[in-house]
Amino acid sequence: AQKVTQAQTEISVVEKEDVTLDCVYETRDTTYYLFWYKQPPSGELVFLIRRNSFDEQNEISGRYSWNFQKSTSSFNFTITASQVVDSAVYFCALIRHTGTASKLTFGTGTRLQVTL
Amino acid sequence: DGGITQSPKYLFRKEGQNVTLSCEQNLNHDAMYWYRQDPGQGLRLIYYSQIVNDFQKGDIAEGYSVSREKKESFPLTVTSAQKNPTAFYLCASSVGQRLLNTEAFFGQGTRLTVV
Repeated sequence: AQKVTQAQTEISVVEKEDVTLDCVYETRDTTYYLFWYKQPPSGELVFLIRRNSFDEQNEISGRYSWNFQKSTSSFNFTITASQVVDSAVYFCALIRHTGTASKLTFGTGTRLQVTL
Repeated sequence: DGGITQSPKYLFRKEGQNVTLSCEQNLNHDAMYWYRQDPGQGLRLIYYSQIVNDFQKGDIAEGYSVSREKKESFPLTVTSAQKNPTAFYLCASSVGQRLLNTEAFFGQGTRLTVV
């Protein structure tokens, strides 16, 4: 079975604090992709990162960084020096294969609230 | 600008009525998807289409129907058989039949409320 777990339902931090959003996944596939999306109040999902199962290198993009560890089936997302504009719901997702189709399986999301 | 357009942004429906949500993309993507979002449940797949004139049920297809007569358009009909239709609906598209090498692009969503 394919599953993505985001145990943190809601996180509140004060601006400039660092915050880590956890993502744990389950899959029987040996080749798979993991994603993070941001959902601001406007509603649309904004793509943040894609990581394939063969690349365990950590990635940094500005204040964002991602830690992928196959040994623990985790793909955690850290925001350094958080800002109010980071307030959103963040989703972790996993590609799921069904025959000729590939579908995204989403976690339940983590709502991040950054206050002044 | 290329993108996905969902309309309307807000929709109200009386119980027992069918309603159709629009999704149009000008990204020349082959694959399109409909997701439903409920509080605390993340996104769940309703239907997806890998190519024109073909579509497949997702995890929660009961009470919904779709069509894919044109590459650019993938409308979703919420029928009266859907027992709990009040939700936020998101449409997405991706380049090819497999998502492995590309991300999905999402529309801004339609919030449906049954009154």
